[in-house]
Amino acid sequence: GAVVSQHPSRVICKSGTSVKIECRSLDFQATTMFWYRQFPKQSLMLMATSNEGSKATYEQGVEKDKFLINHASLTLSTLTVTSAHPEDSSFYICSARDGGLYGYTFGSGTRLTVV
Amino acid sequence: AQTVTQSQPEMSVQEAETVTLSCTYDTSESDYYLFWYKQPPSRQMILVIRQEAYKQQNATENRFSVNFQKAAKSFSLKISDSQLGDAAMYFCAYRNTGNQFYFGTGTSLTVIP
Repeated sequence: GAVVSQHPSRVICKSGTSVKIECRSLDFQATTMFWYRQFPKQSLMLMATSNEGSKATYEQGVEKDKFLINHASLTLSTLTVTSAHPEDSSFYICSARDGGLYGYTFGSGTRLTVV
Repeated sequence: AQTVTQSQPEMSVQEAETVTLSCTYDTSESDYYLFWYKQPPSRQMILVIRQEAYKQQNATENRFSVNFQKAAKSFSLKISDSQLGDAAMYFCAYRNTGNQFYFGTGTSLTVIP
């Protein structure tokens, strides 16, 4: 079945630095990918929709300049958290539209801790 | 905006028994999809079952079935013959015509041996 690889699974960074999270579709092409954020014991909140070759569409309240999304190829989308602060610490999950029976596959998530 | 509500933060069920998880949603669209996802401690989102809004027949997937009431905007999940491996966080999700997902706040299911 369709597989989405998300890397890294865990990352700790210092406050003020930037961190990049990668989301790759391993055996299919994904023209559209989605980025979610999940706080502990809370739901997934859609942050943005990433479209290959065009600008990402951000949900209301999500800072575009803070969460930079790049979808430069049909198999890779990246989320860069810029000038990270402790309140950015969270679990970030990507998903990709695989066109299969159920259409969407989720990555395994990245736990970001900003210290 | 679409909203998804899960009114049961926690549920428990005895092993081999049946449990029903509730979900309601709000939308003005007529064409959409509904999903139940399972998230175990590994945090990997696993699709349990999905329902197309245009289909009147309730979806079933082995021990999992849904009760889809479109007019009431209700989408409950029934787990039959509960197993220890069913213990997880369950999220109800709505997908709109723009292919964006909106998730409920989740229900933590405990299976009692």
